Amino acid sequence: ETAVFQTPNYHVTQVGNEVSFNCKQTLGHDTMYWYKQDSKKLLKIMFSYNNKQLIVNETVPRRFSPQSSDKAHLNLRIKSVEPEDSAVYLCASSQSGTGGAEQFFGPGTRLTVL
Amino acid sequence: GEQVEQRPPHLSVREGDSAVITCTYTDPNSYYFFWYKQEPGASLQLLMKVFSSTEINEGQGFTVLLNKKDKRLSLNLTAAHPGDSAAYFCAVSPHYGGSGNKLIFGTGTLLSVKP
Repeated sequence: ETAVFQTPNYHVTQVGNEVSFNCKQTLGHDTMYWYKQDSKKLLKIMFSYNNKQLIVNETVPRRFSPQSSDKAHLNLRIKSVEPEDSAVYLCASSQSGTGGAEQFFGPGTRLTVL
Repeated sequence: GEQVEQRPPHLSVREGDSAVITCTYTDPNSYYFFWYKQEPGASLQLLMKVFSSTEINEGQGFTVLLNKKDKRLSLNLTAAHPGDSAAYFCAVSPHYGGSGNKLIFGTGTLLSVKP
């Protein structure tokens, strides 16, 4: 099956802990993204990687750090979570080359910070 | 930077009625426009992509209109049915070509279709 996969589906943790989320795409795309969807369902870009290179780095707190081992994988680490980090984190991928390439989204990881 | 406003935030219609969702954007250089559907507990599903010109695109049960002059994008579900109940998001890609094109999303519309 070709798609965007994310693990875990859910994660509950305490303030100050470190968490990591994984994303893998089997669509053969070369660009991957992390978006954050907050409790009001607002969606905002966080990071974008093209062939393991960071392309887009929006203004996010420094405790967030993306990691890419190859063009099919993009992980997200949060060093010391805070309550406002509670959200759904969506991973997406697309193919570069022509403008406006469609982005395909994974199912998301829902983070709850207590 | 680009700002995308989406209206209405909530929309409730009867089965068979039409439902119209509108987005306005600010950057005249925005080039690609998308509509996504998000069912409860699910991820984003691409409905349609439109290009930078005034055009009408028809999908399965819906129509998308882009008016670049007015910087307005709309989604019209022509005869809504309960399965259309979901959150709908418009998205704008502010760059042409290249890699890592980020999407700027509208604020979302929660559509409820009652039988």
